[in-house]
Amino acid sequence: AQSVTQPDIHITVSEGASLELRCNYSYGATPYLFWYVQSPGQGLQLLLKYFSGDTLVQGIKGFEAEFKRSQSSFNLRKPSVHWSDAAEYFCAVGGGAQKLVFGQGTRLTINP
Amino acid sequence: GAVVSQHPSWVICKSGTSVKIECRSLDFQATTMFWYRQFPKQSLMLMATSNEGSKATYEQGVEKDKFLINHASLTLSTLTVTSAHPEDSSFYICSARDQTETQYFGPGTRLLVL
Repeated sequence: AQSVTQPDIHITVSEGASLELRCNYSYGATPYLFWYVQSPGQGLQLLLKYFSGDTLVQGIKGFEAEFKRSQSSFNLRKPSVHWSDAAEYFCAVGGGAQKLVFGQGTRLTINP
Repeated sequence: GAVVSQHPSWVICKSGTSVKIECRSLDFQATTMFWYRQFPKQSLMLMATSNEGSKATYEQGVEKDKFLINHASLTLSTLTVTSAHPEDSSFYICSARDQTETQYFGPGTRLLVL
């Protein structure tokens, strides 16, 4: 069965520091992988996605993610966070016409 | 591009009434849309898959007679919560899937049933 694990429920980093949010997945075929961000009371915004090709994917707002098949991981990174990056981040896996399976989310807090 | 809207963003209703929520893909056509429910500090729970021109597919445990879904066009899906009760109060989010198999989400609708 498909599953997504985000091991960190809550992460706090200082503004300007680097960030890495972890995501591990279980999927029987080649996965489609996504990272979404949700601000309080809002819907989800797509940050980036991986379908195939280059395993390092660039997204919006300065985020990137790297697909590592051997580790079944799709970690999200940003070299320098801004206070506006404080939000909930969701990793999701799907494939083709399959529905998405979401992780539990990681809440990011930024210290000034 | 890839904008999805929801209306209303906020609704308060009395117990026993029905509430309709609209989900529109504004700049692309979506043969498939999805309806999710989100509880505070939790991830999204898929309620149903809405297919244009056919019946929705409901997830296990979701009452299809309680949550009516209609996908009448390639840009519009509606969710009607029938005979709403306080336990139906929640944040409802829709998404629309484009031709690249990417889901784009609406801003959500917060429902409060008194």
